[in-house]
Amino acid sequence: QKEVEQDPGPLSVPEGAIVSLNCTYSNSAFQYFMWYRQYSRKGPELLMYTYSSGNKEDGRFTAQVDKSSKYISLFIRDSQPSDSATYLCAMRTNNAGNMLTFGGGTRLMVKP
Amino acid sequence: EPEVTQTPSHQVTQMGQEVILRCVPISNHLYFYWYRQILGQKVEFLVSFYNNEISEKSEIFDDQFSVERPDGSNFTLKIRSTKLEDSAMYFCASSDRVTAFFGQGTRLTVV
Repeated sequence: QKEVEQDPGPLSVPEGAIVSLNCTYSNSAFQYFMWYRQYSRKGPELLMYTYSSGNKEDGRFTAQVDKSSKYISLFIRDSQPSDSATYLCAMRTNNAGNMLTFGGGTRLMVKP
Repeated sequence: EPEVTQTPSHQVTQMGQEVILRCVPISNHLYFYWYRQILGQKVEFLVSFYNNEISEKSEIFDDQFSVERPDGSNFTLKIRSTKLEDSAMYFCASSDRVTAFFGQGTRLTVV
């Protein structure tokens, strides 16, 4: 079983739709959960991070972590064509400076 | 806004040659990393560096690879004898105690 799994997509939605992106993981030691956005041939750009379980909201973005199910989600409200990118989940243990383990990324296309 | 900068943006090298990829991390960060991403694949961890030494490395980071922080600002990744399979995007990242910020990457092409 892969450590972090993510549906590769592509996920195609109309502008204004609510988008749900998800990852599952197997390592119960993961405590920090990040979402990155990556445009083609560019570096990952940090969107949000969450510590342990719970929800976090930032503008149109909401991150959820359910540690009991080992499942994390990123919701994007009122999606825009500029949101079209690959979304990567990443996670790490509680040790400061520990490496990130990434999912494979979900490609999102928001059509005008 | 502070950012991680990487040079060069693209490097083409012949198989067997040595390459050095350079990074300037965010100035008050203490943890530094190299990751790579082969086209169409996951971002993979290579090595982490803290307090002037390697703190963690992956199976990919074999004897062909080395890292250095030659002065107070630069962080380099050296590949001693490049192979075709080293062709990838190489990302440098730096971190405070919580979140990692990535550079724009160096696209390495080995021919």
